Amino acid sequence: IAGITQAPTSQILAAGRRMTLRCTQDMRHNAMYWYRQDLGLGLRLIHYSNTAGTTGKGEVPDGYSVSRANTDDFPLTLASAVPSQTSVYFCASSAGTSGRGEQFFGPGTRLTVL
Amino acid sequence: AQSVTQPDIHITVSEGASLELRCNYSYGATPYLFWYVQSPGQGLQLLLKYFSGDTLVQGIKGFEAEFKRSQSSFNLRKPSVHWSDAAEYFCAVGADNQGGKLIFGQGTELSVKP
Repeated sequence: IAGITQAPTSQILAAGRRMTLRCTQDMRHNAMYWYRQDLGLGLRLIHYSNTAGTTGKGEVPDGYSVSRANTDDFPLTLASAVPSQTSVYFCASSAGTSGRGEQFFGPGTRLTVL
Repeated sequence: AQSVTQPDIHITVSEGASLELRCNYSYGATPYLFWYVQSPGQGLQLLLKYFSGDTLVQGIKGFEAEFKRSQSSFNLRKPSVHWSDAAEYFCAVGADNQGGKLIFGQGTELSVKP
C-alpha cells in the first residue's frame, strides 16, 4: 500500500514558469490538503479539499491553485512561480473532515524557484 | 485566532536521557491535539493524539504527552531517548469547527548526542 505519493521529488524552476505538483492517494480518503514547510514557520496550509469536486483556501493560498476532479488526485499548480515559493511541499489526506481525524502525509516535494 | 507555539526551536539531549518538548496552544473551543514526527527527508508521522478523557496519552515509539487545560499545554515526553529519535517534532491542533484542518506549531528539532 503506497499511501500518498508525490511527484516530483524535487524540482528547480525558473521564476515565471508554471509548475504542477502531483499528489495521489490510494486510501480513498475524502479530504486532502497541501502544506508548505518553511524553516521556523512549521507547516502552513495552502489549500484543502473536503471531498471530490470541492476545494477551499488555507492560510497561504496566494499564487497557488488546486483542483479535485476525483477522490485520488489533488494537484497543486503554481501559475507563475516566484522565489518566495521556494519550499518543501507536503500533500496530506484524512478519511473525514472531523477535527479528530489523523492526517497522512506524503514524502514531500522540494521546490526551488530561481 | 487559534495558534500553536513550540517555544524550543532546537533541543539536544544525550542518548538515554529523558526528553520533554513543549507545546502551547491558544484555542477558544475544546481542541484536538496531535504530535507528529518528521524524520530527515520524510513526511510526517503521527505519534499520538488527544481528544478527551485521560489527560495522559500514550503513543508510538515510547512517547507520551500530557494535556493540561489550565496551562493550555500538551507537552511531549519520553523517559529515555534513543539515537533514532533525532527528528523534527510538530505539535498540531484541530477542532470540529475547523473541518479536518490542522494548525501546526513551528516545530522542534531534536538532536541526540552519544
